Order: sequence, then structure tokens, then C-alpha cells
Amino acid sequence: GAVVSQHPSRVICKSGTSVKIECRSLDFQATTMFWYRQFPKQSLMLMATSNEGSKATYEQGVEKDKFLINHASLTLSTLTVTSAHPEDSSFYICSATDSGGASDTQYFGPGTRLTVL
Amino acid sequence: RKEVEQDPGPFNVPEGATVAFNCTYSNSASQSFFWYRQDCRKEPKLLMSVYSSGNEDGRFTAQLNRASQYISLLIRDSKLSDSATYLCVVNESSSASKIIFGSGTRLSIRP
Repeated sequence: GAVVSQHPSRVICKSGTSVKIECRSLDFQATTMFWYRQFPKQSLMLMATSNEGSKATYEQGVEKDKFLINHASLTLSTLTVTSAHPEDSSFYICSATDSGGASDTQYFGPGTRLTVL
Repeated sequence: RKEVEQDPGPFNVPEGATVAFNCTYSNSASQSFFWYRQDCRKEPKLLMSVYSSGNEDGRFTAQLNRASQYISLLIRDSKLSDSATYLCVVNESSSASKIIFGSGTRLSIRP
């Protein structure tokens, strides 16, 4: 089955630090990947859609200069949280759909838990 | 009105019980529908897609009513391992670019 990995799985950092999270599709190619954020006891909120070779599409209210997305290849998208603050502490999850697949099923990475002190 | 709305739960039922979750969506042009389950502090995992004719996978049955814009999930003979949050997911476009998640319904199965 389709596997998506994320790295790192957990980050604890000081306020003001930038944190980079990687999302990889391991056994399929993903033209499009998605980045979500989930606060405790809340649902996933789509932050942005990452498009291979072009700029990401951000959801309303998500600062593109704070959450930098790069989708340089068909198997890798990165999310960089710049100058992280405690309110950025959250569970960040990426997902991808198989570009060569027939369905639009999203496969999720295991998530990255970010804690900003 | 929320784009995808679910029973808030939590549902607390005994092992072996049958439990049903409901979900409504606001965009009548929505294309595809899914149920995901999410365990505590883990990523969502696809449970099953939902087809217009209804579909069954073991103890799980999903139904779609396009006229009422309503999706349901039925779990029969519930197991302790079914305890999780169940997310109703709607794709509003023909691609994967407009996926909306419901807020989830928490299910707890007691022995």
C-alpha cells in the first residue's frame, strides 16, 4: 500500500527557531501533497496544498511567509515553520495522493508533533 | 453552517454493541466521500470509501444519501479495538484539492 513518511516525528525547540518538516511518498509519486495542522481535541485543518514544481496554495488565514512550503520533487514536500512561537505548537500532518492512481484517496504521514517553548 | 458536520459524541458503548455515526455535508456538488479513523496522537487512516450504492467491509457498513447530503457509518459487533475518533471526509472537487474533514466523533468501547 501507499506509504507516506514524515521526519522528524517530534520536535521541541525554543521560540524564534525555524523548524523544517519533511514529507515523503515512499512508493508512489505525488504531484500534490497537503499539509494539515491539528490542535488538541480538534479536527485537522488544511493549511496548504503543495504542488510539485510550483507555488503552494495556502488556505485563508495561513501566512505563507511563516509556513514555507517547497515541493521540489514528486516524492518530497517540506514545510518550514519560520520563527516558531508557542502558539505554533501543534501536530502537523502531511498527506499525498497517488498521481498514477485511479482514486483520490489521501495517504497520511505519521505526523510531526511540534512543541515550541 | 459547517461544510462537514458530524455527531459530536463521545459515544461510549459496550463491547458487542452496534453503533452508528452520521455526517452531513453542505456542498451538493461534492464528489467523493470517506470515513477515516484516527487513534489518539496518531495520523488518520482510511477506513473505507463511501459509494452511492452503499458498501460493506466486514463489520463496517457505509451509506451515502446524495439527496439528503448525508453519510453514515455503522459498526456491528463492536470490539475494544474500535475505540478511536471517526472522521467523515468529503472531497468537494473532482481532484483531491478540496478535501474537507469533519470534526470527528469519538467512540469508546467498554468491556
